[in-house]
Amino acid sequence: SAVISQKPSRDICQRGTSLTIQCQVDSQVTMMFWYRQQPGQSLTLIATANQGSEATYESGFVIDKFPISRPNLTFSTLTVSNMSPEDSSIYLCSSRTGKETQYFGPGTRLLVL
Amino acid sequence: AQSVAQPEDQVNVAEGNPLTVKCTYSVSGNPYLFWYVQYPNRGLQFLLKYITGDNLVKGSYGFEAEFNKSQTSFHLKKPSALVSDSALYFCAVRVTWNSGNTPLVFGKGTRLSVIA
Repeated sequence: SAVISQKPSRDICQRGTSLTIQCQVDSQVTMMFWYRQQPGQSLTLIATANQGSEATYESGFVIDKFPISRPNLTFSTLTVSNMSPEDSSIYLCSSRTGKETQYFGPGTRLLVL
Repeated sequence: AQSVAQPEDQVNVAEGNPLTVKCTYSVSGNPYLFWYVQYPNRGLQFLLKYITGDNLVKGSYGFEAEFNKSQTSFHLKKPSALVSDSALYFCAVRVTWNSGNTPLVFGKGTRLSVIA
């Protein structure tokens, strides 16, 4: 199984600033995803991070607000831009190879004041 | 479109008793079905999956789930609950008819509380 690490594990940010979250997988994977989870709630897919091309965003999420990079098969970043308190959430990185099981990182807990 | 329903927000069970966490799904195609568990302040941990074959799948920590195609269900079960099983459980589904690049869709989650 893939081991996924995320940095930072948590952060407290001021309104209007941006935060970049890093995701590192211990092996090459086909697919990487970014999810958002409100505390105690379900997971909502933000986007699929595509290696070497623009991410594929789900309805309700846009590149200007959540720019994503994936420079290689083991690393991705998600930026939460121009943050507001509504962006306070847990952001989870996830990876999968082909049709296999999807694994998740420990999450980044973000609080926006 | 694919969707997952977990009809119970909360399930309470006494330690040592059997537990069931319900999940039903809706997909156009053959489903891949998954259960994940989330402990407080932790990420999601994979429990088990159904891809094909035997309808009863066994997973981590003594959990099992039964795929029922006619009822479009994939309920999570454990014969004897432990207090340490208390956590948030998510059912998830993915279709398999295309190249396989579809992401997981999650249910809303069910909080399991095992009482000593």
